[in-house]
Amino acid sequence: KQEVTQIPAALSVPEGENLVLNCSFTDSAIYNLQWFRQDPGKGLTSLLLIQSSQREQTSGRLNASLDKSSGRSTLYIAASQPGDSATYLCAVKSSGSARQLTFGSGTQLTVLP
Amino acid sequence: DTGVSQNPRHKITKRGQNVTFRCDPISEHNRLYWYRQTLGQGPEFLTYFQNEAQLEKSRLLSDRFSAERPKGSFSTLEIQRTEQGDSAMYLCASATERQYRTEAFFGQGTRLTVV
Repeated sequence: KQEVTQIPAALSVPEGENLVLNCSFTDSAIYNLQWFRQDPGKGLTSLLLIQSSQREQTSGRLNASLDKSSGRSTLYIAASQPGDSATYLCAVKSSGSARQLTFGSGTQLTVLP
Repeated sequence: DTGVSQNPRHKITKRGQNVTFRCDPISEHNRLYWYRQTLGQGPEFLTYFQNEAQLEKSRLLSDRFSAERPKGSFSTLEIQRTEQGDSAMYLCASATERQYRTEAFFGQGTRLTVV
């Protein structure tokens, strides 16, 4: 059974800092990995999708990497802003017959002005 | 296209009552998922539709839960005889496969409070 872990559970940084969020998964037979952002009481916004054959994806100040063999992904946020404050969720879609995403518990990020 | 739409956004109900939620996916998406999220946790998978066929159900989906997707368009999730433990955010997502990519898009969720 796939398990996804995100560390740290919470992170507080001053504005302007670069930061890294970590995600690890137990079964390396994945189809893709997706990073989401969730604001309090809201749904999920897709940030980046990395296919299993890819090593990284970039969108603006965000860069996500994937190392399938070690079961790890990182989300790098450059020059953080207070508007980046949210919970960041990592989700893995496993290969095989299962179709669902398996989520980590998220990292709650606070960027202080 | 306005994305995945869920209604209602909030629902407060008394224990023992039945509730029904609706999800309208992105129009060309043939895959539809329901997830449940409790405070401080990531979403947990409940069930999956491909077109109108319900292909997978989680063990979390007890016999009090039923989901439908008639005609492969919108979907409904019904909870019968609600319990306090059913209080959670219910999220719907849709997806389609393009060039071997399947990216899921989520709605804003329905927050259920059972009192």
